[in-house]
Amino acid sequence: SQQGEEDPQALSIQEGENATMNCSYKTSINNLQWYRQNSGRGLVHLILIRSNEREKHSGRLRVTLDTSKKSSSLLITASRAADTASYFCATVLGEKLTFGTGTRLTIIP
Amino acid sequence: SAVISQKPSRDICQRGTSLTIQCQVDSQVTMMFWYRQQPGQSLTLIATANQGSEATYESGFVIDKFPISRPNLTFSTLTVSNMSPEDSSIYLCSAAGTLYNEQFFGPGTRLTVL
Repeated sequence: SQQGEEDPQALSIQEGENATMNCSYKTSINNLQWYRQNSGRGLVHLILIRSNEREKHSGRLRVTLDTSKKSSSLLITASRAADTASYFCATVLGEKLTFGTGTRLTIIP
Repeated sequence: SAVISQKPSRDICQRGTSLTIQCQVDSQVTMMFWYRQQPGQSLTLIATANQGSEATYESGFVIDKFPISRPNLTFSTLTVSNMSPEDSSIYLCSAAGTLYNEQFFGPGTRLTVL
């Protein structure tokens, strides 16, 4: 079963705009991670935020975590065509990393 | 960080045959995992590959169907046995130092079963 539910399932925006994706999860966590997957390829780790952190930045990425609401968001600023990909949140549940349902992001040039 | 390679990158197989996928990490890692990603879906963990002992399988996955080897800290194989069209998926291996750190993924093996 999926630990994380992401919304929207799909998002299309114009190049240069900001993209926001949300992830909700069900149980307490040690950390929450975001990954990107280009079409049919392996996943690339983007950012990890620990349960005692509320916000984290990495380049054009900004991640927030609200443990009281069991939710996280990923913001990509000034989007580029190369940002077109699927984005997954993931949390450690038991002895494994469990992935959310994913958001398919399309950047329109 | 770790760089992970997988072989083959893709294959088309006949029903009833078996395919072994290899995963090589460029450095010693504590944990290795195998995932399945069906078309348009998220990743589902098949098993944790344990060095020197039997793999730990998730619910719905069994050793007879998905035998896994991990002879050392840098290499693992996953076999998809007696394949059917329902096994058509992308199979990904990953590696991590600990469960609470980032995982590094291989490029995946795209399997099509006819």
